[in-house]
Amino acid sequence: AQSVSQHNHHVILSEAASLELGCNYSYGGTVNLFWYVQYPGQHLQLLLKYFSGDPLVKGIKGFEAEFIKSKFSFNLRKPSVQWSDTAEYFCAVSATTSGTYKYIFGTGTRLKVLA
Amino acid sequence: NAGVTQTPKFQVLKTGQSMTLQCAQDMNHNSMYWYRQDPGMGLRLIYYSASEGTTDKGEVPNGYNVSRLNKREFSLRLESAAPSQTSVYFCASSADFSSYEQYFGPGTRLTVT
Repeated sequence: AQSVSQHNHHVILSEAASLELGCNYSYGGTVNLFWYVQYPGQHLQLLLKYFSGDPLVKGIKGFEAEFIKSKFSFNLRKPSVQWSDTAEYFCAVSATTSGTYKYIFGTGTRLKVLA
Repeated sequence: NAGVTQTPKFQVLKTGQSMTLQCAQDMNHNSMYWYRQDPGMGLRLIYYSASEGTTDKGEVPNGYNVSRLNKREFSLRLESAAPSQTSVYFCASSADFSSYEQYFGPGTRLTVT
C-alpha cells in the first residue's frame, strides 16, 4: 500500500545536538515532498518542500532536507537544535497515481529539546 | 490577511447530534481540504475540493459530508456524531491542486460523548 513512514515517533535531544528525522515513502512516479512543523498549541506550517531540481532543500529556521530518490527518502536535518524547535514534525507526500490524487502525511515525530 | 480561519475552536457533542464545522480562506486559493488528526495516526484526509464546485472523498470520508459554498468557504458536516469522530479537525487550502504546499487553519477540537 502507498504510505509515508516516519520511524522516529519521539526524539529527545539536548540543545546544540544535531537532528535527523527520517521519512520514507512508497509511491512510484513523480512525487512532491514536504516537511511541516506543528508547535505546541499551534497549527501546522510549512518548513520546506521539494518539487524538482537540487535534492538538498533548505527551509526556514535552519532546517534542510535531502531527497534521495533511490532510497525513497526525504530526511529532515538541522545541525544544532534549539529549545524553540520543540514541536511535532510531519513529512508529507503528494502524488497522482492512476489518475487519483494523494496527499499523505506521516504519523509525525514529536521532538523535545532540553534546555 | 487572516489566512485560514475555522469555527468553532472547541465543541462537545452527544452521540447522534449533528454539527457543521466552518472554514474560510482569504488567500484566493483554488483548493481546500479537511483533515482529522488523531494521536499516532498523523493527519488523514477526509474530503477535498480541488476547485470551486467540486468535492471528492479522501482517505476517511465515512460519516462526513462537505460543501464548497464558494471559493472562500468549505464546510464539513457531521450528520450523526459518533465517539469515533472525537478528533482535532484541520481545514487547509492551497493555491492549486496536487503539488502546492497547504496552509492550515488553527483547528477545531471536537469531543463526542
